[in-house]
Amino acid sequence: GQSLEQPSEVTAVEGAIVQINCTYQTSGFYGLSWYQQHDGGAPTFLSYNALDGLEETGRFSSFLSRSDSYGYLLLQELQMKDSASYFCAVRGQAGTALIFGKGTTLSVSS
Amino acid sequence: DGGITQSPKYLFRKEGQNVTLSCEQNLNHDAMYWYRQDPGQGLRLIYYSQIVNDFQKGDIAEGYSVSREKKESFPLTVTSAQKNPTAFYLCASSISGTGDYGYTFGSGTRLTVV
Repeated sequence: GQSLEQPSEVTAVEGAIVQINCTYQTSGFYGLSWYQQHDGGAPTFLSYNALDGLEETGRFSSFLSRSDSYGYLLLQELQMKDSASYFCAVRGQAGTALIFGKGTTLSVSS
Repeated sequence: DGGITQSPKYLFRKEGQNVTLSCEQNLNHDAMYWYRQDPGQGLRLIYYSQIVNDFQKGDIAEGYSVSREKKESFPLTVTSAQKNPTAFYLCASSISGTGDYGYTFGSGTRLTVV
């Protein structure tokens, strides 16, 4: 089967940097994605990594190490609006759907 | 503007009833998905469809059924066989079955059994 592990909660203060880790187990691998979901809202796509390395998009960056079955989402210059749940997701086989982790709740305080 | 619409936003069902959740997209996406979200459980895959008239079961398909007669529509029926249907249901779509460009999600339907 497929499984993903990520911390359930992370707390930080405004302006800080936080890293949300994700480890996965899949029979195959077709990329690691990250999604953000504010309370009661729809998840929104943040990033996708298919190859090893760091992808940067503004204040958010995502990293992947396929040999370690590990990735992380890095959030810099944290703002109150970044308080949300963050999900990592993988696709283990071609033509299948994303499988999501249980999510990490990020709380940013002033 | 293009998007994905789920209706209704809130739905109440009596035990023993079947209910159908609507999901419509005008993004011209080939693939569509249904996920269920429970507190602390993340998103769990119910069904997905990569093309019209074809769909596959996800991890928790028991007690649910779907159809994909049109590219734009992917309704989900929660049957009386689903023992614990109270949850937040999310529909999503993507350009292709790879989902490499990300999924677009609807705003969800919150189903409560009364």
